[in-house]
Amino acid sequence: GAVVSQHPSWVICKSGTSVKIECRSLDFQATTMFWYRQFPKQSLMLMATSNEGSKATYEQGVEKDKFLINHASLTLSTLTVTSAHPEDSSFYICSARQTNRGEQFFGPGTRLTVL
Amino acid sequence: GESVGLHLPTLSVQEGDNSIINCAYSNSASDYFIWYKQESGKGPQFIIDIRSNMDKRQGQRVTVLLNKTVKHLSLQIAATQPGDSAVYFCAENWGTSYDKVIFGPGTSLSVIP
Repeated sequence: GAVVSQHPSWVICKSGTSVKIECRSLDFQATTMFWYRQFPKQSLMLMATSNEGSKATYEQGVEKDKFLINHASLTLSTLTVTSAHPEDSSFYICSARQTNRGEQFFGPGTRLTVL
Repeated sequence: GESVGLHLPTLSVQEGDNSIINCAYSNSASDYFIWYKQESGKGPQFIIDIRSNMDKRQGQRVTVLLNKTVKHLSLQIAATQPGDSAVYFCAENWGTSYDKVIFGPGTSLSVIP
C-alpha cells in the first residue's frame, strides 16, 4: 500500500524556537495533504488542509502564522511550528491523498516536546 | 471544531469474543465513513470504510454497519485477539467544498487474554 513518512519521529526543543516537520508520500503523488494534532488520550484534530501549489486552508481556531504549512511538491508537505511553547507539545500527524476522493494514508506521527 | 462521536469510552473484551464499537456522527450530508485503528505512538491505520449508499460492509474479521436514520456507525470485530488492543476511531468524510476527514473521539479496546 501507499506509504507516508514523517521526519523527525520525535523532537525536543526549547521554548521560543521553531520546529519543522516533514511529511512525504513515498510511492505516490499526493494532491492533498492534511495535518492533524493529537493530545494524549484525545482524538486527532484537523489543523489544516494543503493542496500542492496552493495556500493551506486552516481549521477554525488554528493560527496560520504560528503553524506554517508549505506543500511545494506532490510528495512533500512541511509544517513549521513557529516560536513553539510548551502548550504546543503534541503528536503531529500528517496524511496524504492521491485523488480528490481517494483514501487518506497516514504518516507515523511526530512527537513534539517543547521545554 | 467539527466532531464525530460523543464520548471516549473504553471497552474490555475477552480474547475470542466479539467486539462492538459504536460511533455517532453529526453531519447528515456526509457520504463516506472510515474506521481507523491507532496503536500507541503510531499513526492511524485504515481498517474498513463504507459509503452512505450501503448499510453494511464486511472485511476480514471486521464488519461496519451504518444506520443513516440515527446517524450511527458500528465496528464489529469477530474473535477478538490481543493484537486488536488499540484505540479505534470512526471518521467522517466531511462533505464541504473540499473533502476533509473528521475524527470521532475514539474508543479504547482492551483485549483480556
